[in-house]
Amino acid sequence: DQQVKQNSPSLSVQEGRISILNCDYTNSMFDYFLWYKKYPAEGPTFLISISSIKDKNEDGRFTVFLNKSAKHLSLHIVPSQPGDSAVYFCAASALAGGTSYGKLTFGQGTILTVHP
Amino acid sequence: SQTIHQWPATLVQPVGSPLSLECTVEGTSNPNLYWYRQAAGRGLQLLFYSVGIGQISSEVPQNLSASRPQDRQFILSSKKLLLSDSGFYLCACNQGINYGYTFGSGTRLTVV
Repeated sequence: DQQVKQNSPSLSVQEGRISILNCDYTNSMFDYFLWYKKYPAEGPTFLISISSIKDKNEDGRFTVFLNKSAKHLSLHIVPSQPGDSAVYFCAASALAGGTSYGKLTFGQGTILTVHP
Repeated sequence: SQTIHQWPATLVQPVGSPLSLECTVEGTSNPNLYWYRQAAGRGLQLLFYSVGIGQISSEVPQNLSASRPQDRQFILSSKKLLLSDSGFYLCACNQGINYGYTFGSGTRLTVV
């Protein structure tokens, strides 16, 4: 049962344009969402997060949007740069339950390629 | 800040051989520790997590086991590897319900 889904395995974008990475979830208990970036042969690194009490969080070129009714979130990267080329993972957790121990459920990942 | 040391970076093991992957954490005490696996074409799957010494919870039934003999040491083991154990194994840590995971650099395990 894939509770967090990234339905696009890959995305190709021109440098300077916007990259939009999408993520859907099915567990209505999820109330905290994160995006991680991963380069080959390295561990993922934290990018940006959003709590379910918000619908938008921005950090420089990165913005995450959350649509709770649709159980959908997206990561926007503007402008995209070649160094952004990596695998992007969406992750979710149920904070309010109090027993999650920080466990995250990850999506399958989307390979972003930004062409110069 | 937290740092995770994970080794080896790559490992090729025959089917039926034992496995021991070690992860150590610096820069924090009493962290939550996790083992994740990324199989080919799939996302990161949580295998085990630990909230303290000797406390291990398994998320999925499998051929692997985990142990936490010290506060900042987390070990992933198997007595007999299967082909299906191949994948990229990641150790991660965080503090309490802080979701700012720190990941290790991972181990690429190939079972042949």
